[in-house]
Amino acid sequence: EPEVTQTPSHQVTQMGQEVILRCVPISNHLYFYWYRQILGQKVEFLVSFYNNEISEKSEIFDDQFSVERPDGSNFTLKIRSTKLEDSAMYFCASSVSGGMETQYFGPGTRLLVL
Amino acid sequence: KNQVEQSPQSLIILEGKNCTLQCNYTVSPFSNLRWYKQDTGRGPVSLTIMTFSENTKSNGRYTATLDADTKQSSLHITASQLSDSASYICVVPYFSGGYNKLIFGAGTRLAVHP
Repeated sequence: EPEVTQTPSHQVTQMGQEVILRCVPISNHLYFYWYRQILGQKVEFLVSFYNNEISEKSEIFDDQFSVERPDGSNFTLKIRSTKLEDSAMYFCASSVSGGMETQYFGPGTRLLVL
Repeated sequence: KNQVEQSPQSLIILEGKNCTLQCNYTVSPFSNLRWYKQDTGRGPVSLTIMTFSENTKSNGRYTATLDADTKQSSLHITASQLSDSASYICVVPYFSGGYNKLIFGAGTRLAVHP
């Protein structure tokens, strides 16, 4: 069964460094999403992406964040200058369409900012 | 404000027993409600999606109910198994600008003991 994959599974970085989290969505999906989950808290929406542009973003997704689909398979989340509070689990998801279709989540990348 | 509240926060049951998890939402306009299962350290996995016109929907040992008038949903698990130990998250899409983002509840952490 097709699944969303994410790399790396864990990343440790120093405050102020740039990190890039990578995702490979399911191949026939057209909508892509990033979510984050701070330890012990709810999953929070960050951004949705369709047709090579951001379709919606939350107030969390500030100028430090950017997303890109550099080729036909990868979908990346870049954090330009990491802060301690960026430490969280980051989930990528994809769906066939943006309506009622199920979003399929990847296993997540655990980011720790020291 | 668009919110999703779940109860109880955590629950411990013995293997083979049934349990019911609750979800209240204030998201408007409403079109559907989703239940996800999230194993520790993993991404959420969809269990069921219910539209406003559906009252009950089953997926194996999971049965979800929805009362769109009172804005409440429940997830009933029958004959629990050790593998049911996970967080169960109620999610309601919020449509904005033609695209959906998911509003997550905090989840109910279920532990099934032998």
